[in-house]
Amino acid sequence: EAQVTQNPRYLITVTGKKLTVTCSQNMNHEYMSWYRQDPGLGLRQIYYSMNVEVTDKGDVPEGYKVSRKEKRNFPLILESPSPNQTSLYFCASSYRQPGFMNTEAFFGQGTRLTVV
Amino acid sequence: TQLLEQSPQFLSIQEGENLTVYCNSSSVFSSLQWYRQEPGEGPVLLVTVVTGGEVKKLKRLTFQFGDARKDSSLHITAAQPGDTGLYLCAGYNAGNMLTFGGGTRLMVKP
Repeated sequence: EAQVTQNPRYLITVTGKKLTVTCSQNMNHEYMSWYRQDPGLGLRQIYYSMNVEVTDKGDVPEGYKVSRKEKRNFPLILESPSPNQTSLYFCASSYRQPGFMNTEAFFGQGTRLTVV
Repeated sequence: TQLLEQSPQFLSIQEGENLTVYCNSSSVFSSLQWYRQEPGEGPVLLVTVVTGGEVKKLKRLTFQFGDARKDSSLHITAAQPGDTGLYLCAGYNAGNMLTFGGGTRLMVKP
């Protein structure tokens, strides 16, 4: 089954404790991205990757890091989480940049992160 | 950043009623997508519109892209409880990322 898998689904952590949210896709997609979703703000892109070893900042990259060492995986790293990073996070993948030539973005089920 | 404003933010209606959700911007988009998100899940694509004035139908859902490609609407006829969810519009422009609106949370009561 074609899917984007995020782990963990729920995470409560303390300020400053490094954490990683994993994302894996089995569709051989080149484009992957991370979004955060906050009430009333929709989805805001954190980072995206056009291909292996190619990553770039989205709208809200501060406090986050990513890596793309393999095509299928795109982990999101919070080196020193702060309470303002409490949010619902989504990983997405697509054949190419979503929206271009009717390209659909496929989303994971989300990771609800709480930083206390 | 190109802003997309959705209205209304919240909508609570009775089963069988019709409704329209709006997605507006001052920017022109090459294409516009509508996604639907259910609680505990990620957004799922409903439709992509690319041509100004384009109208697409998906069963009881009708999507329209404005002539100037700055706005879009989603009309639902005879809403059902299964239509409940968060509706997100997202605009795409070459060289830019997909920009999402703030969403419209729809509740259809039986």
